[in-house]
Amino acid sequence: GENVEQHPSTLSVQEGDSAVIKCTYSDSASNYFPWYKQELGKRPQLIIDIRSNVGEKKDQRIAVTLNKTAKHFSLHITETQPEDSAVYFCAASRDSSGSARQLTFGSGTQLTVLP
Amino acid sequence: DAGVIQSPRHEVTEMGQEVTLRCKPISGHDYLFWYRQTMMRGLELLIYFNNNVPIDDSGMPEDRFSAKMPNASFSTLKIQPSEPRDSAVYFCASSLNHDTYEQYFGPGTRLTVT
Repeated sequence: GENVEQHPSTLSVQEGDSAVIKCTYSDSASNYFPWYKQELGKRPQLIIDIRSNVGEKKDQRIAVTLNKTAKHFSLHITETQPEDSAVYFCAASRDSSGSARQLTFGSGTQLTVLP
Repeated sequence: DAGVIQSPRHEVTEMGQEVTLRCKPISGHDYLFWYRQTMMRGLELLIYFNNNVPIDDSGMPEDRFSAKMPNASFSTLKIQPSEPRDSAVYFCASSLNHDTYEQYFGPGTRLTVT
């Protein structure tokens, strides 16, 4: 089955700096890579995703890059703000005929933005 | 839309007791997922349904866990008997159909088994 590894497990940055979180996956057939943000005590919420036919996707201060050859993808947050502090999860999924795209999650990164 | 609804939000029970967690997916969504989140194991998929039919329950830890979806708007996850190691946050999520990728999570049920 799919295995997703996520690094680092914790990340502290100064407000205004950039943050980068990296994930690798094992299943070369995976073709969908979402990122979820989970604030303390809250539900995971999808913040951005990328599909395998795209190398990069950007939404305001967040961007995701995908390298299918190397089987890794990254989340980039620029101009970080204190409200970006949360746990971020990457996930990977493959298109499975007749069934939903099951997500395999990484272990999460606790991002702390220091004022 | 109210989003995915879960109840109860918190549950404290004693070891050996039966626990039932409930979920109402987003109306019109064909897929429903049950996840468990712990510090040690992260987010794990337990089981998921398509049009009320269980498709993959390989993530269900053992026979003490069971899940049902009697209709398109309701699902339950039952633990009987509960054990302290079942303490976790249980999330339900739903997804529109096979052509969509996004999963929408409910607020979760924090279960504590003493």
